[in-house]
Amino acid sequence: EVQLLESGGGLVQPGGSLRLSCAASGFMFGYSAMMWVRQAPGRGLEWVSIISDTGDKKYYTDSVKGRFTISRDNSENTLYLHMNTLRAEDTAVYYCAKGRGATWSHLHFDYWGQGALVTVSS
Amino acid sequence: QSVLTQPPSVSAAPGQKVTISCSGTSSNIGNNYVSWYQQLPGIAPKLLIYENDKRPSGIPDRFSGSKSGTSATLGITGLQTGDEADYYCGTWDGRLIVVFGGGTKLTVL
Repeated sequence: EVQLLESGGGLVQPGGSLRLSCAASGFMFGYSAMMWVRQAPGRGLEWVSIISDTGDKKYYTDSVKGRFTISRDNSENTLYLHMNTLRAEDTAVYYCAKGRGATWSHLHFDYWGQGALVTVSS
Repeated sequence: QSVLTQPPSVSAAPGQKVTISCSGTSSNIGNNYVSWYQQLPGIAPKLLIYENDKRPSGIPDRFSGSKSGTSATLGITGLQTGDEADYYCGTWDGRLIVVFGGGTKLTVL
């Protein structure tokens, strides 16, 4: 059974940092692209970042470039999102999701974690 | 504002059919495959349709997808109250990003 379990969320002050983790099990983690998506309260899904299966390709939405870093440890089956210089508008539930598809063009996300709430407030 | 355009809401009676549109550009939908996700209240999204029209194992054939040019459509037949949820389209974009629609809230009257 595929499982994705996020952790590391919480309350942080503006300008602070936080690291989210996503522990994966039940599939060949090292063969899957992985993504972070967030959802602000009452809002829709917003893609944050994606990392290729080997970790050599990383892409980000413009609003987090230079502040967030996606990484993965394939030996530990874990995905990370390092978030720095956090802003109030980063407040959201952050989901990790498992990617699938022969190419980036075919990309879709067949399993999602339960989400981790990040609240940026003083 | 989302890159892909969806209607904010749709509604229909139980047993009826509804369609949800998703409009994009040649950079995204026009040259890539579309997927659809269902998000029940308070729960993580779930994959409904991938590669435009394929259903994952366990998704009933009441759900269907199609794509034409730079637009895609999700169809749901035999509506049930349990289908009330938010629905999102998503795809890869040639600018090396993943894009989603703003979401459509389905109400089963």
